Amino acid sequence: QSALTQPPSASGSPGQSVTISCTGTSSDVGGYNYVSWYQQHPGKAPKLMIYEVSKRPSGVPDRFSGSKSGNTASLTVSGLQAEDEADYYCSSYAGSNIPYVFGTGTKVTVL
Amino acid sequence: EVQLVESGGGLVQPGGSLRLSCAASGFTFSNYWMTWVRQAPGKGLEWVANIKQDGSEKYYVDSVKGRFTISRDNAKNSLYLQMNSLRAEDTAVYYCARGRGSYSLDYWGQGTLVTVSS
Repeated sequence: QSALTQPPSASGSPGQSVTISCTGTSSDVGGYNYVSWYQQHPGKAPKLMIYEVSKRPSGVPDRFSGSKSGNTASLTVSGLQAEDEADYYCSSYAGSNIPYVFGTGTKVTVL
Repeated sequence: EVQLVESGGGLVQPGGSLRLSCAASGFTFSNYWMTWVRQAPGKGLEWVANIKQDGSEKYYVDSVKGRFTISRDNAKNSLYLQMNSLRAEDTAVYYCARGRGSYSLDYWGQGTLVTVSS
């Protein structure tokens, strides 16, 4: 099972929006509505931002939104803020033997 | 408050063994799948293993099958990862995480560093 494909980097100015893609296959992203997104600041543990493609856990700002089309999922961060600068990882279910396949990660820079 | 605290990491020689522990608090541990995820230095996240609430089901990434064993003690609210025949490529920060359901991980520990080197 290969890692899901994400762009290495993305950037935007404060207040702008940035969208990160996460491309898999019909065996993972395209086959299930179990895509999650995690934010990780340097030296810190990952934090769940989105689950089940587009749902936000309690406490996550509504500036974060998720979607999916076919084999590609996306995370959009609207109204970029300095604290959004971090690494972002997608994850998908790929069957009972492979419950979590992570993406390659995207570093988001707030210009 | 949900807390997950890993311990047991350190420096070990290739071929050696380590046992990681994760102490859970602030929730009913026995109600949740638990997972180990690792991150090699400067690299991305990799799922390692997970275990069902009662320990009856366990799954592993191919690269650790036969070498690592995940287990739990619900009476002690603890998760474990026994790592044998360690290789240089197992060097990583190991995180324990709680399965939220719907195959997402909603709480993570701070991680424990495992370094495999001679």
